[in-house]
Amino acid sequence: DVQLVQAGAEVKKPGTTVRLSCKLSGYNFIDYYIHWVQRAPGKGLVWMGFFDPEDGKTVYAEDFQARVSFTADMSSGTVYMDLASLTSADTAVYYCATLVNLVSSPNGKVAVDYWGQGTLVTVSS
Amino acid sequence: SYKLTQPPSVSVAPGQTARIPCSADALSNQYAYWYQQKPGQAPLLLIYKDTERPSGIPERISGSSSGTIATLTISGVQAEDEADYHCHSAEDSDPPNWMFGGGTRLAVL
Repeated sequence: DVQLVQAGAEVKKPGTTVRLSCKLSGYNFIDYYIHWVQRAPGKGLVWMGFFDPEDGKTVYAEDFQARVSFTADMSSGTVYMDLASLTSADTAVYYCATLVNLVSSPNGKVAVDYWGQGTLVTVSS
Repeated sequence: SYKLTQPPSVSVAPGQTARIPCSADALSNQYAYWYQQKPGQAPLLLIYKDTERPSGIPERISGSSSGTIATLTISGVQAEDEADYHCHSAEDSDPPNWMFGGGTRLAVL
């Protein structure tokens, strides 16, 4: 089974950097981009960007481009997100996800969509 | 970059039909996707490519799209449908740009 497993909650001070992990298993890693999505309290989902495990390409959303970085250790199947210069506005649950992909099946194309369980990041002095 | 606009909340009585709109100019030529999210859970895909349901999603949940507005429809609303609903699309640009709407809280009265 495809699984995206994220590490536990983090508490960080303002101005510091948090590194979040997303361990992939159960599939060929190069098949799907890994996206990162933020859900802050009382807000909607916000797309932060994606990492392409096939070639290491990254695309960052404009709002995060200056202080976010995606990397990976594909030997262990783990993708990382670093978010720098943290403020209280960064207090949120962060998800890694493949988002929707269409894959072949005996019944034709089917949609698959996998998410990690999320990591709560609390930024507080 | 474009923005997907949803109403902050929709209220409906049990058994009635809930309709949640999502608007953006880009939806006239890009697909909409819909997610349901309950507290403490990751989002769950309900609709992809405007109208398609993944395996396991009941038929009372449907999607439609006309012009610049995509709509999620939940028929025969149940208490368990109370959740946040997010529309999602991808801008056809280089580099590609994914986007979510602000989310709609569905309240079952």
